[in-house]
Amino acid sequence: AQTVTQSQPEMSVQEAETVTLSCTYDTSESDYYLFWYKQPPSRQMILVIRQEAYKQQNATENRFSVNFQKAAKSFSLKISDSQLGDAAMYFCAYRSVLNTGTASKLTFGTGTRLQVTL
Amino acid sequence: EAGVVQSPRYKIIEKKQPVAFWCNPISGHNTLYWYLQNLGQGPELLIRYENEEAVDDSQLPKDRFSAERLKGVDSTLKIQPAELGDSAVYLCASSLGSGRGVYNEQFFGPGTRLTVL
Repeated sequence: AQTVTQSQPEMSVQEAETVTLSCTYDTSESDYYLFWYKQPPSRQMILVIRQEAYKQQNATENRFSVNFQKAAKSFSLKISDSQLGDAAMYFCAYRSVLNTGTASKLTFGTGTRLQVTL
Repeated sequence: EAGVVQSPRYKIIEKKQPVAFWCNPISGHNTLYWYLQNLGQGPELLIRYENEEAVDDSQLPKDRFSAERLKGVDSTLKIQPAELGDSAVYLCASSLGSGRGVYNEQFFGPGTRLTVL
């Protein structure tokens, strides 16, 4: 079974600065997806960024980018030019590319609460 | 395009009472998921539907939880009887399908926060 670990329960960043959230995972599969989701107080999970394991290039979405280290099974999220609206819980998640049994479910980490200060 | 709709947003009940949650997925999405999110944790899958068929319910506590997805559209998750430990957020998500491909991205609803007293 796959596991996802987020070792930072809370992080804080000043507005306009850069912050990196860490995530490690464990899997025996060679092909899979990794995601970062944002969950504001409204509770709605919002997809921030997606990485396909077979792609070596790190994904970027505007101010959000990842550092995907497949051999180390590490998947960190970098938020540049942090804004007050970035404050939320951030969850790292794993999904197999298979479609058998439990494969298509998302396996989440425990989350990192990001605070953005003025 | 409307997103995943869930109701109610909040529910407070006393233990041993029944409770039901409703989910309307994005139109055209064949796959529907129910996730349980305990306080301070990430969501965990309870059940996955492909159209009207439950294809993965291995994490659903079947002694008290049940779910249905009639006609392969809306879904209802029920707990009977509720216990104190069931207090959590229940999230519904949907996707076009569940195989390989970014088009099978899961979209989440706002969840139902259940409090059992």
